[in-house]
Amino acid sequence: GAGVSQSPRYKVAKRGQDVALRCDPISGHVSLFWYQQALGQGPEFLTYFQNEAQLDKSGLPSDRFFAERPEGSVSTLKIQRTQQEDSAVYLCASIYRYQGQGGETQYFGPGTRLLVL
Amino acid sequence: KQEVTQIPAALSVPEGENLVLNCSFTDSAIYNLQWFRQDPGKGLTSLLLIQSSQREQTSGRLNASLDKSSGRSTLYIAASQPGDSATYLCAAQGSGGSNYKLTFGKGTLLTVNP
Repeated sequence: GAGVSQSPRYKVAKRGQDVALRCDPISGHVSLFWYQQALGQGPEFLTYFQNEAQLDKSGLPSDRFFAERPEGSVSTLKIQRTQQEDSAVYLCASIYRYQGQGGETQYFGPGTRLLVL
Repeated sequence: KQEVTQIPAALSVPEGENLVLNCSFTDSAIYNLQWFRQDPGKGLTSLLLIQSSQREQTSGRLNASLDKSSGRSTLYIAASQPGDSATYLCAAQGSGGSNYKLTFGKGTLLTVNP
């Protein structure tokens, strides 16, 4: 079946602009994660959803970052008033079970590359 | 706070060589240790997952080992091929209340020359 998809794949924003990044997880996957990957770095955890509930948002860098998953499937990561330091690849991942119930890896999407000018 | 370090940052080898990538983590209370591959412009592909109770996992030419007590994991690639060229990331999955979190290293950029 289809994997995790993300859109847009590339986004150029002017500083101060708001952006919305979309993630379509694998159908039926319960858990969904967002990561931020800066150039030359490993991905860093942003937030975690179990169905529609956001159980952990401790990794969101500031209150300009907001994520939602209203129906427990598609998720949107929104960044308000973008800054240059927000430039990064934003990765989405999903997993069928509730994470921690089995030794299953997360399935990653291709990412959205955000460039803030 | 878990910290993951990968050595070397970059590695260039001739085709056919066997190689080892190293990963260390500071908090040994992990749920599992995972190795991923990342190709330019693409997401992460899972290679191997080692549960905390296991010592190693194998898949084809890849073998990953885990020594929880010393906070180390290695990824061994046998008979490397140009198609193995990519960035290899290791990630420690936390235990306890945050057992869903993956903490990644910065990766090792591998180039296999034909």
